[in-house]
Amino acid sequence: QVQLVQSGAEVKKPGSSVKVSCKASGGTFSSYTISWVRQAPGQGLEWMGRISRVFDAPRYAQKFQGRVTIVADDFTSTVYMELNSLRSEDTAVYYCARDLLGGPASDAFDIWGQGTVITVSS
Amino acid sequence: DIQMTQSPSTLSASVGDRVSITCRASQSINSWLAWYQQKPGKAPKLLIYKASSLEVGVPSRFRGSGSGTEFTLTISTLQPDDFAIYYCQQYINYFPTFGQGTKVEIK
Repeated sequence: QVQLVQSGAEVKKPGSSVKVSCKASGGTFSSYTISWVRQAPGQGLEWMGRISRVFDAPRYAQKFQGRVTIVADDFTSTVYMELNSLRSEDTAVYYCARDLLGGPASDAFDIWGQGTVITVSS
Repeated sequence: DIQMTQSPSTLSASVGDRVSITCRASQSINSWLAWYQQKPGKAPKLLIYKASSLEVGVPSRFRGSGSGTEFTLTISTLQPDDFAIYYCQQYINYFPTFGQGTKVEIK
């Protein structure tokens, strides 16, 4: 049974950075494509970017380009999402999610992490 | 970006009702559409992918239909466990986008 387990909640100051981890257990990590999706309080879902273990370089939503970095560590089966220059509007729950089929383009997300609450406050 | 618009934003219904949620895309996405259910404090759960394929373990009362720009999620007989927020998501290109959500609440 594939599971994605995320790191714990964090409180950050405006202008700082945060790095959230997403550790996969079960299955074949090297074949996964993992996306990051965030949800501001009381709001909908927003895709941030993805890393494919098989296909091309990480892809990011234009809104986050230059501010977000997604990397994978095969030794620990962990994907990391780092978001820089934090502002109050980045306060949200951040989810990692696995692509259903892991093809070259986008996909539905069948496995989700439990979510990580990031609060940006001075 | 492809815009996804759901209607209604809120739907009041009773247990046993048949309910439908509509999702419209700003351009054709063929059948590259997924539906999710989200409950408070939980991650979204995949219900339907490729517009009409039922994810493993999802009850058959959930049905997805449509193609192109208009899609529908139908719950045939609403159960107490179905009161939640539902999101659609397109994935035709490299940049998936979600609808704003539809809350199904108890009448």
